Amino acid sequence: GAGVSQSPSNKVTEKGKDVELRCDPISGHTALYWYRQRLGQGLEFLIYFQGNSAPDKSGLPSDRFSAERTGESVSTLTIQRTQQEDSAVYLCASSPPGRGYGSEQYFGPGTRLTVT
Amino acid sequence: QKEVEQNSGPLSVPEGAIASLNCTYSDRGSQSFFWYRQYSGKSPELIMSIYSNGDKEDGRFTAQLNKASQYVSLLIRDSQPSDSATYLCAVTRNQGGKLIFGQGTELSVKP
Repeated sequence: GAGVSQSPSNKVTEKGKDVELRCDPISGHTALYWYRQRLGQGLEFLIYFQGNSAPDKSGLPSDRFSAERTGESVSTLTIQRTQQEDSAVYLCASSPPGRGYGSEQYFGPGTRLTVT
Repeated sequence: QKEVEQNSGPLSVPEGAIASLNCTYSDRGSQSFFWYRQYSGKSPELIMSIYSNGDKEDGRFTAQLNKASQYVSLLIRDSQPSDSATYLCAVTRNQGGKLIFGQGTELSVKP
């Protein structure tokens, strides 16, 4: 079946502009996650949606970052007033229902964001 | 102390050898453990998950978990040049599903 999809695949923006990144999870997956990977670095957790529960926003680095999810489908990550340190690959993952303590997460191809 | 630690490598092994990748974690509440493979310029790909102490085998891959020692490892038997990638260890606690990743170990398999 179709995997996690993300758009755009690449985004170049000027410092100070807002950007929106989109994620389409695998059909039937109830949980959706956003991570960030800076060049040469590990993955940093940003935000997690599980069904109708309040999202876990504990990884968002500043109030310039926000995310929404419609039901159990598409999610949008918005970065306002982008800064050069926001340059990274933004990865979305989804996981199926099942284990309460963290089931297997499947990643999309990512969006490479470059802030000039 | 980092929450999840891995040797950054590079780890170089000859083709056909066993590659051994190690990971330690600091949170004793961690319940789920995963290994991802990440090729350069690509997103992480899940290759193994393990939840209980002991070994779990899947093809050429074996994951080993020792919760008492807070240690998880990945063995790759009969290593192939196509296994050359960065291997990421990730763990989760039981309250939520967010993954805490190590920095990854770069593996190079020489023909």
